[in-house]
Amino acid sequence: DVVMTQTPPSLSVAIGQSVSISCKSSQSLVYSDGKTYLHWLLQSSGRSPKRLIYQVSNLDSGVPDRFSGTGSQKDFTLKISRVEAKDLGVYYCAQTTHFPLTFGSGTKLEIK
Amino acid sequence: EVQLVETGGGLVRPGSSLKLSCATSGFTFSNTWMNWVRQAPGKGLEWVALIKDKYSNYEANYAESVKGRFTISRDDSKSRVYLQMNTLRDQDTATYYCTRTIDFDYWGQGVMVTVSS
Repeated sequence: DVVMTQTPPSLSVAIGQSVSISCKSSQSLVYSDGKTYLHWLLQSSGRSPKRLIYQVSNLDSGVPDRFSGTGSQKDFTLKISRVEAKDLGVYYCAQTTHFPLTFGSGTKLEIK
Repeated sequence: EVQLVETGGGLVRPGSSLKLSCATSGFTFSNTWMNWVRQAPGKGLEWVALIKDKYSNYEANYAESVKGRFTISRDDSKSRVYLQMNTLRDQDTATYYCTRTIDFDYWGQGVMVTVSS
């Protein structure tokens, strides 16, 4: 199975600051079609997860451009610029290149 | 608007069965792959099963932890996806989410399944 290692497990940040979350996979996430199926999701407290970014760097509709995703092969980063209070929650990376599909263990973002 | 609504959860005894249903609307269900993902209380996300569309012969894939006990199915005429769960264990206690496409682009609100004696 592809192991997704997410760091840090938690972050505390002041409003307006920027943060980065790392996600490393145990195998390359490049599929045979040349695309990389690494996604980022946010689960706000008591809510269902919501996808923010797909295929490394593509923002889902309605997601502010304060969010950005970078990376390749096995090493990926989610960056949140100018953090707002509504950004708090648990962020997960997920890979859908290989079966079984797997998720990172999550990064809890708290606001100072 | 894409909507996914799960039903069928509840409290059951270990060893029993339960069938979850996910009603969908707002998109062309018949050519969409669908997943079930679960989340144990206070824990992270765990993919459970995926079912492909008719063009992929409704192929299904399962997590090892549920293989042989759970069956994912779909009814394209009703735009629904199901999860038949047999021989339930305490460790299957979780909120079960229906999600759209292999890339998890939309999620339902989830349904709680509690397995306890």
